[in-house]
Amino acid sequence: EAAVTQSPRNKVTVTGGNVTLSCRQTNSHNYMYWYRQDTGHGLRLIHYSYGAGNLQIGDVPDGYKATRTTQEDFFLLLELASPSQTSLYFCASSGDSQAPLFGEGTRLSVL
Amino acid sequence: GDQVEQSPSALSLHEGTGSALRCNFTTTMRAVQWFQQNSRGSLINLFYLASGTKENGRLKSTFNSKESYSTLHIRDAQLEDSGTYFCAAEVNYGNEKITFGAGTKLTIKP
Repeated sequence: EAAVTQSPRNKVTVTGGNVTLSCRQTNSHNYMYWYRQDTGHGLRLIHYSYGAGNLQIGDVPDGYKATRTTQEDFFLLLELASPSQTSLYFCASSGDSQAPLFGEGTRLSVL
Repeated sequence: GDQVEQSPSALSLHEGTGSALRCNFTTTMRAVQWFQQNSRGSLINLFYLASGTKENGRLKSTFNSKESYSTLHIRDAQLEDSGTYFCAAEVNYGNEKITFGAGTKLTIKP
């Protein structure tokens, strides 16, 4: 069954902390995405990738790194977390002419 | 930059009535997707369209790529339809960037 799995589902860290959010898709999709969602905004694109080793910059990339280690795995890295990065994060994958699939989201709090 | 303009930002309906949500695009989009976000924050896929109209129960969606808009019609609204609705559009061929509208918060009243 097609799926996008995010981990952890919830994370609390402190300012300056190092956080890695993980996303795995089992859909054989080429494209994967990381979004953040904040009150008053829709989902905003942070980074995306069209294959292992590829990285594309999204609309709100500052403070984030990402790495696509395999076709299945896409990681979002916050190396010096700040309170402004407290948000709900979504991962998604998509393939040619197929509806994108979204994960359940990761709630991150930076204290 | 590429934009998806979603309206209205908030909508209140009485049970049994209906209305339409709309997304306008400032550039050519090749497909659009509509979601309902539930109270737990999960995104529930409603429709994915590359063109034309799709219908599912009390919901119907249309995507007009030539005129750069999409609509989501809700009829006979029920309390469980409450939530935030988003459209998301895929920009261009060869650049699979997916851009979201800001959402419509829908409240259904008894």
